[in-house]
Amino acid sequence: RKEVEQDPGPFNVPEGATVAFNCTYSNSASQSFFWYRQDCRKEPKLLMSVYSSGNEDGRFTAQLNRASQYISLLIRDSKLSDSATYLCVALSGYSTLTFGKGTMLLVSP
Amino acid sequence: NAGVTQTPKFQVLKTGQSMTLQCAQDMNHNSMYWYRQDPGMGLRLIYYSASEGTTDKGEVPNGYNVSRLNKREFSLRLESAAPSQTSVYFCASSETTAGTGELFFGEGSRLTVL
Repeated sequence: RKEVEQDPGPFNVPEGATVAFNCTYSNSASQSFFWYRQDCRKEPKLLMSVYSSGNEDGRFTAQLNRASQYISLLIRDSKLSDSATYLCVALSGYSTLTFGKGTMLLVSP
Repeated sequence: NAGVTQTPKFQVLKTGQSMTLQCAQDMNHNSMYWYRQDPGMGLRLIYYSASEGTTDKGEVPNGYNVSRLNKREFSLRLESAAPSQTSVYFCASSETTAGTGELFFGEGSRLTVL
């Protein structure tokens, strides 16, 4: 079983919509979590870290639920430029970053 | 500021041929990584180097070798390429292996093995 699982999507939403992605992880020892963004045929880039208390960066909100072992990403007021694949990432042990397969978001006019 | 530079960006090989993917970073990072990305499989770690002089296997090391040439450079070698190694390869670096979770990726190398 993959350690980090995501719905592959695609999620098709109109501009201005709010959309949420969930990600579940199986390793309860995972210490830290992150969301990466990957544009089509480009490299992944860090979008934001996920803190236990939840954190917000502009239109983006990330939350962690350790009891249920899931991470969420909420995007408000979606823009066309938000179209991308969003990768959920868990850090386990000293050096192991495990990437989910990603969730594709398509924002349409 | 170049960040992480990979070469070549595209390569076509025949089964059994060998090649080396080169990666260099100019951010003075200690740790470097090689990932492969396949449709439906996500990013999988091949090898990593926590610091200059050390290398360790990741999730899918079979068929690959690596060399941490110096702090800046980390190469990935395919000794005898197989069609199953057709993939997009990403090199990445980070300041350290733990904590921040921020990896800086190169633009990727698209390899096709016929």
